[in-house]
Amino acid sequence: DQQVKQNSPSLSVQEGRISILNCDYTNSMFDYFLWYKKYPAEGPTFLISISSIKDKNEDGRFTVFLNKSAKHLSLHIVPSQPGDSAVYFCAASGGGGSNYKLTFGKGTLLTVNP
Amino acid sequence: DAEITQSPRHKITETGRQVTLACHQTWNHNNMFWYRQDLGHGLRLIHYSYGVQDTNKGEVSDGYSVSRSNTEDLPLTLESAASSQTSVYFCASSELRAPYEQYFGPGTRLTVT
Repeated sequence: DQQVKQNSPSLSVQEGRISILNCDYTNSMFDYFLWYKKYPAEGPTFLISISSIKDKNEDGRFTVFLNKSAKHLSLHIVPSQPGDSAVYFCAASGGGGSNYKLTFGKGTLLTVNP
Repeated sequence: DAEITQSPRHKITETGRQVTLACHQTWNHNNMFWYRQDLGHGLRLIHYSYGVQDTNKGEVSDGYSVSRSNTEDLPLTLESAASSQTSVYFCASSELRAPYEQYFGPGTRLTVT
């Protein structure tokens, strides 16, 4: 039972345009949602998070939107840069169990073309 | 600067051998985690620990074990390596406060032949 889903395995955008990465979840008890970025041969690095009581969080070029009624969140990157090319993982904490465990989606490979 | 390190970075072993992957963090975090990353599966939790002498099974724990004798280290042992355990392994640690973000090591690529 996959509680966090990233239905798009890959996404390709042009430099300077907006990248929108999507994530759906099934467990309404998740407390926080996090986005990680992963380059090849490196560990994932934390990018941005949002509390379940918020609907938007912004950090520079990165904005995460949360729609609780739809159990959907999205990461917007504006403007996209070639260095943003990486795998992006959506993750959630809480869910009725331990807050410390994260449940990850399968990831979306973003390619930003110059 | 605080960090989390893994060793070795690459390992090739034979089926049936015992293998131990090391994870060391200097964040002084109580929580530590082991994941494996496989194509089409994302990051799957193997084992985790919330403190010294505490260990817990994750979703894919069969064939793996961990022990926590101090705050800094959480070694992962494959008791009898199998080809299905060929993967990239990541160790992580986290703080006790929200949003409970985890800090990941660089990974160990393990090949079981």
